[in-house]
Amino acid sequence: AQTVTQSQPEMSVQEAETVTLSCTYDTSESDYYLFWYKQPPSRQMILVIRQEAYKQQNATENRFSVNFQKAAKSFSLKISDSQLGDAAMYFCAYTIGTASKLTFGTGTRLQVTL
Amino acid sequence: GAGVSQTPSNKVTEKGKYVELRCDPISGHTALYWYRQSLGQGPEFLIYFQGTGAADDSGLPNDRFFAVRPEGSVSTLKIQRTERGDSAVYLCASSSNPREETQYFGPGTRLLVL
Repeated sequence: AQTVTQSQPEMSVQEAETVTLSCTYDTSESDYYLFWYKQPPSRQMILVIRQEAYKQQNATENRFSVNFQKAAKSFSLKISDSQLGDAAMYFCAYTIGTASKLTFGTGTRLQVTL
Repeated sequence: GAGVSQTPSNKVTEKGKYVELRCDPISGHTALYWYRQSLGQGPEFLIYFQGTGAADDSGLPNDRFFAVRPEGSVSTLKIQRTERGDSAVYLCASSSNPREETQYFGPGTRLLVL
């Protein structure tokens, strides 16, 4: 079965500090896309960052960046200069090719403290 | 433009009743997805539409669940003879075309079956 594992149910970070959320996945496909989504209490899934598996360069989006290790099937998210608004559930997910279902992990709850 | 919208925001029903959940995708998006998110879990895929047709319904749990998208825009997820185990947040997502890998989510409908 194709799976996504997020081994950290909860993480905490102080405001302005850096935190890394872990994700590993398991697929035998070569064409896939990886995502981090943020889900605040409002329930709406918000795309944080995405990575094409064929690209070696790690994706960055302002304060968010990923460490994509294809051979290890690892896709961690680094949040720099954490802000109170970053507090949410974070889900790692992937799709096989395009026009395909997302497979999600179980999420990591991020708390941001003053 | 406007994002994905879902109605109702919350739905409470009694065991055995029939419910309909509606999703309005982003205008012009041809791909539409339904997911179900149980408490403390990541979303799980239910069904994917490309245009009017269901391209992948492998995630529907049983024949009490079905979905339609008659005109290729709005979609309705229909649940017959609801059970307490159907209680969850039902999320809808859309993407612009079959080659677009990013899915944009609505705020979800929280269904509670008493």
